[in-house]
Amino acid sequence: GQSLEQPSEVTAVEGAIVQINCTYQTSGFYGLSWYQQHDGGAPTFLSYNALDGLEETGRFSSFLSRSDSYGYLLLQELQMKDSASYFCAVRGSGGYQKVTFGIGTKLQVIP
Amino acid sequence: NAGVTQTPKFQVLKTGQSMTLQCAQDMNHNSMYWYRQDPGMGLRLIYYSASEGTTDKGEVPNGYNVSRLNKREFSLRLESAAPSQTSVYFCASSEAETGSYEQYFGPGTRLTVT
Repeated sequence: GQSLEQPSEVTAVEGAIVQINCTYQTSGFYGLSWYQQHDGGAPTFLSYNALDGLEETGRFSSFLSRSDSYGYLLLQELQMKDSASYFCAVRGSGGYQKVTFGIGTKLQVIP
Repeated sequence: NAGVTQTPKFQVLKTGQSMTLQCAQDMNHNSMYWYRQDPGMGLRLIYYSASEGTTDKGEVPNGYNVSRLNKREFSLRLESAAPSQTSVYFCASSEAETGSYEQYFGPGTRLTVT
């Protein structure tokens, strides 16, 4: 099977940088994704890493180390609207179509 | 371009009743998914369909059935609802062939079973 671990809650100050870590266990690996979900809303896609290294998209960056089964999401210049839950998700055992999500990290941005 | 649509948005059922949750996408995606989300549990995959005509079990398929009616539509059926199925249900679609595994989610159906 597949499993992921991420912190349940993180608090950070507006304008600061925050890193949300994710470790995973899977017998096969295709890639690691990150999603954002505001309260009462649907998850929206942020990034996808299939290879080691850093992917940057505006204020958000995502990193992957396949040898360490580890990734992180980096949010820079935090804004109040970034308060949301962030989920890592792995495509691995069972085929590339089968996606397993972590339990999510609730980020609170404070003034 | 509506993306992924789900009906209904809210539903209350009594234990033992049946219902079908509808999902449709207009992005011509091959793959479609059904997830449930419970507090503190993240998203759990119920069933998925890699392409029209195929369906496969996910992590929590018991108590559910699915139908991939055509490329656009993927429905989820609860034959005999139980209180443990109280949850928010999300449908999603993706197109792996483009190299992007981004999943597009519908707005969700909030189901309460009493």
